Amino acid sequence: EVQLVESGGGLVKPGGSLRLSCAASGFTFSNAWMSWVRQVPGKGLEWVGRIKSKTDGGTTDYAAPVKGRFTISRDDSKDTLYLQMNSLKTEDTAVYYCTLMRSYYFYCWGQGTLVTVSS
Amino acid sequence: EIVLTQSPGTLSLSPGERATLSCRVSQSVSSSYLAWYQQKPGQAPRLLIYGASSRATGIPDRFSGSGSGTDFTLTISRLEPEDFAVYYCQQYGSSPKYTFGQGTKLEIK
Repeated sequence: EVQLVESGGGLVKPGGSLRLSCAASGFTFSNAWMSWVRQVPGKGLEWVGRIKSKTDGGTTDYAAPVKGRFTISRDDSKDTLYLQMNSLKTEDTAVYYCTLMRSYYFYCWGQGTLVTVSS
Repeated sequence: EIVLTQSPGTLSLSPGERATLSCRVSQSVSSSYLAWYQQKPGQAPRLLIYGASSRATGIPDRFSGSGSGTDFTLTISRLEPEDFAVYYCQQYGSSPKYTFGQGTKLEIK
């Protein structure tokens, strides 16, 4: 069974940094393309960024609002995905979901971790 | 930038009725690139339909997807109590790579 478990959310001040983790199990993580998707409470879904498998180049892509501030990385030896968030803004407040991708869609989702950016 | 517009914003129906949800895309997209998700309160979204019309693993056959080009539809043939939720369409494009519609809330009438 595929499982994705996010951690690392919390309260951070504007301009601060936070690193989210996503522990994966139930599939071959090293072969997987992974994404982060976020959701402001009570609002819709927004894709944050994606990382390809190392076999496919390991490259990353980001949504415009987070490009240059957020970095996605992976540790295939630990089956773990990361989201490093720097220069956080109040508008980054959201639940952040780790997702396993298949082709062009988000096949499986974690339970999410809440990030609150507030002074 | 491709925009996905879902309608209606809220759909009020009774169990046993048929639900038809629409997703209109601002530019023509390949059917391969269109998916639908269901989200219940307090839960993560769940993939329902991919490739516009293929059901994901474990999804009941009362859920079906159709459409092409710029107009896509999610149909729930006979609503069960557990189907009342928010539904999102999503497409893969160039920039941004992945875009969601704003959602349709399906509520009990």
